[in-house]
This record gives sequence, structure tokens and C-alpha cells, in this order.
Amino acid sequence: DIQMTQSPSNLSASVGDRVTITCRASQSVNKWLAWYQQKPGKAPRLLIYKTSTLESGVPSRFSGSGSETGFALTISSLQPDDSATYYCQQYSDFLSFGRGTKVEI
Amino acid sequence: QVQLVESGGGVVQPGGSLRLSCAASGFTFNRHGMHWVRQLPGKGLEWVAVIWHDGSTTYYGDSVKGRFSISRDNSKNTLFLQMNGLRADDTAVYYCAKDRFDSSGFPDRWGQGTLVTVSS
Repeated sequence: DIQMTQSPSNLSASVGDRVTITCRASQSVNKWLAWYQQKPGKAPRLLIYKTSTLESGVPSRFSGSGSETGFALTISSLQPDDSATYYCQQYSDFLSFGRGTKVEI
Repeated sequence: QVQLVESGGGVVQPGGSLRLSCAASGFTFNRHGMHWVRQLPGKGLEWVAVIWHDGSTTYYGDSVKGRFSISRDNSKNTLFLQMNGLRADDTAVYYCAKDRFDSSGFPDRWGQGTLVTVSS
């Protein structure tokens, strides 16, 4: 099984800040990496897939980068609505998720 | 728009069984793989199972293999999860999720989830 390690677990930042969340895979997942946003009591929402492809309707302040085992999600200018928990997920070998990063503003 | 509505959750005793359903609409159900993913209380996400678009192939996470069974009825646009031999650590919100592709790619839409509580 592929293990996904996210950091940090928690992050506190201000409106307008540039924020980066990292995700490391225990083995190469090539480019098969997605990011999800989840707000309390809600279902996860797909933000990015194939490492850097923005899902339709997702604001352009979100971006993804990386390859093989190291990935990052960047929010270029943090907005109040971005307060949520973010998960990375590999789909190279079925699915496995990181433990999440809670972003507080 | 895509809608996924889970049902069938509830409280069940350890060792018991439960069958979850997920009613799908807003997309061509028989063209997409479907997943079950669960979220333990206050915790992260754990993949449970996937089924190919035509029901021909299924895969399971290690923690549920041999106890859970995923199936689908494409004539009724409905996904199922039969859960047997339930344990306390199966307590979670169970989400059904639509795959972007016809087999196992990545989920692109999720339902709101149904809570399963395993307790005596």
C-alpha cells in the first residue's frame, strides 16, 4: 500500500498570505495525485487532479505541483472561504489519502 | 448536476450487518466507476472499495476485505455496500463517490455521507 504523508497537520495564516501544503508518497505515484478540500460536516470537494490540473470551477489561486513522491498544494492569496481541511490523495494504486491539513484563518 | 444520496446508515451491534445504498443522478451512471470512502469520527479519509462501471470488477481496502461487498444496479442508478461482521472500528461516515473514469481513477464528486455506528 502507498502511504501518503502530509505536512503540516495544522496551519494558521492570514487573509492574503501565500500558503503551501506538502504531501509525500511512500513510493512513486507518477503524476496521479489529487487534492481535496473539506469543510466541517461537508463532503470533500475535488480541487486538483493529475498533480496540477485545476478542476472546473475551482479558483485560480489554488495550484498544484510536484511529481513521483513529492507534491505541493499552494494557495496564492488566502481567502476567508479557504478555511478547511485539505487532503492529498494518490490514485496510482487504488486510493490512499494523507491525514489532512487543517487551515485556519 | 451530479447528485449522490447515501442511505442505510444507522446503529448496529458488533458482528451485525448493514446495507448502504447510494442513489445517483445527473450523470450517465453506467459509464463511471464508483467508490465507497469512509471517514472515522474526527479523522481522515479511508478508501473502502471500488466497482467498475459495468460491475465486472471490484477491489477492496485491506481493512474490509472479506467482510464488505460493493455492487451496483445500473438499471436503477444505484450503488450498494453490503457490510457484514461489523466492528467498532468500522464506525464512520460512509461516502459514495463518482469516479472520473469508467474504472478506478479518482473521485470527482461525493455524496453527503451516511453515518454508521457500531456499538453494543
